[in-house]
Amino acid sequence: DQQVKQNSPSLSVQEGRISILNCDYTNSMFDYFLWYKKYPAEGPTFLISISSIKDKNEDGRFTVFLNKSAKHLSLHIVPSQPGDSAVYFCAASVTGSYQLTFGKGTKLSVIP
Amino acid sequence: EPEVTQTPSHQVTQMGQEVILRCVPISNHLYFYWYRQILGQKVEFLVSFYNNEISEKSEIFDDQFSVERPDGSNFTLKIRSTKLEDSAMYFCASTWDGTRGQYFGPGTRLTVT
Repeated sequence: DQQVKQNSPSLSVQEGRISILNCDYTNSMFDYFLWYKKYPAEGPTFLISISSIKDKNEDGRFTVFLNKSAKHLSLHIVPSQPGDSAVYFCAASVTGSYQLTFGKGTKLSVIP
Repeated sequence: EPEVTQTPSHQVTQMGQEVILRCVPISNHLYFYWYRQILGQKVEFLVSFYNNEISEKSEIFDDQFSVERPDGSNFTLKIRSTKLEDSAMYFCASTWDGTRGQYFGPGTRLTVT
């Protein structure tokens, strides 16, 4: 069951540059998408979300883009900071359901 | 900032034993969830709970699992007879209004031997 896919297990970026994390989904019923960040020994922390009626949502250094026709979303972090080093999970849900469906995560390393 | 707490942080149990994992959701939250993450795999939804009843559950959440809110603050997950494949990190989460930005606890690592 791979309804939400994060095909890059890891990503390294230089401090100050842009980090782009990608996520694809297969279930066309998904209408709400979220990004979570996870540090070791901690639970996932909600970062940013986007509804399927939008194609972009911005919050400070974090922007999520949604391309519904391609069933693709991405998280942009600009500028990247060493404290952003963590595992980033993409998650999706369907209206009327409380269930979040997660991807496997991408480990971001921001190099000082 | 309020946070979800979970105890214990690590639980080791023998196969066939019952375990209870405990969570204290954020105090004014009304919706509660359990997820698990087997090592190297995705975070998977188990169950959601609202108004003292299960509102949704996944295929994983079979008769071996149960949830309870025994008082005004705790939310528990019970596994009746643990199996080796129940070894995982179990995350509790909560929300105030059922919106999808769920707040997660730090997790309980369950090891079944």
